[in-house]
Amino acid sequence: SYELTQPPSMSVSPGQTASITCSGDILGDKYASWYQQKSGQSPVLVLYQDTERPSGIPERFSGSTSGNTATLTISGTQAMDEADYYCQAWDSSTAVFGGGTKLTVL
Amino acid sequence: QLQLQESGPGLVKPSETLSLTCTVSGGSISSSTYYWGWIRQPPGKGLEWIGIIYYSGSTYSNPSLKSRVTISIDTSKNQFSLRLTSVTAADTAVYYCARHVDLGYFDSGWFDPWGQGTLVTVSS
Repeated sequence: SYELTQPPSMSVSPGQTASITCSGDILGDKYASWYQQKSGQSPVLVLYQDTERPSGIPERFSGSTSGNTATLTISGTQAMDEADYYCQAWDSSTAVFGGGTKLTVL
Repeated sequence: QLQLQESGPGLVKPSETLSLTCTVSGGSISSSTYYWGWIRQPPGKGLEWIGIIYYSGSTYSNPSLKSRVTISIDTSKNQFSLRLTSVTAADTAVYYCARHVDLGYFDSGWFDPWGQGTLVTVSS
């Protein structure tokens, strides 16, 4: 089966660092992408190729990988970063999304 | 700026066929650089990939949906479409279309941008 595992939820205080993990066997071989989805909105790409930021995405969003785990890090988290975050990768010609992490900023 | 817009019926009866179209503006769907994809999200749940299509008509689909899914492309209209047969309540979801960008091999890629999504409810 095709699986990417994320923590269902996490909370962070404004100004602190949030690190959201995504684990899966495929991540040892394939790039991860990350999407931010605010309430009632469409997903927006925030990272691709594990660490690359699209134009318009703030520098506080960064990515890293280690073994079979990809991590999205938000430094100096702001209230506007409260959202659901999804990782995505490809496995055997199938695009796979993680289950999503609800990030609460409080 | 590339924009994608989903369209189609918001209500489909059980056992019938769901049909949606994605209209692309601000760029050509015939570009050899991109695939074009469908993703769905049941209410309150996560994202599920449905499939992608190349301008040539080549497709890849989610194995869990493959027997019911047809994705097609009309380059003359700058549109691509989704058909999902024999729908049930489990197919109720917001359906998104998106451009798929990659590094030259499709399984290296990501989805950007996304359309605004359209809610399809399966109910009698």
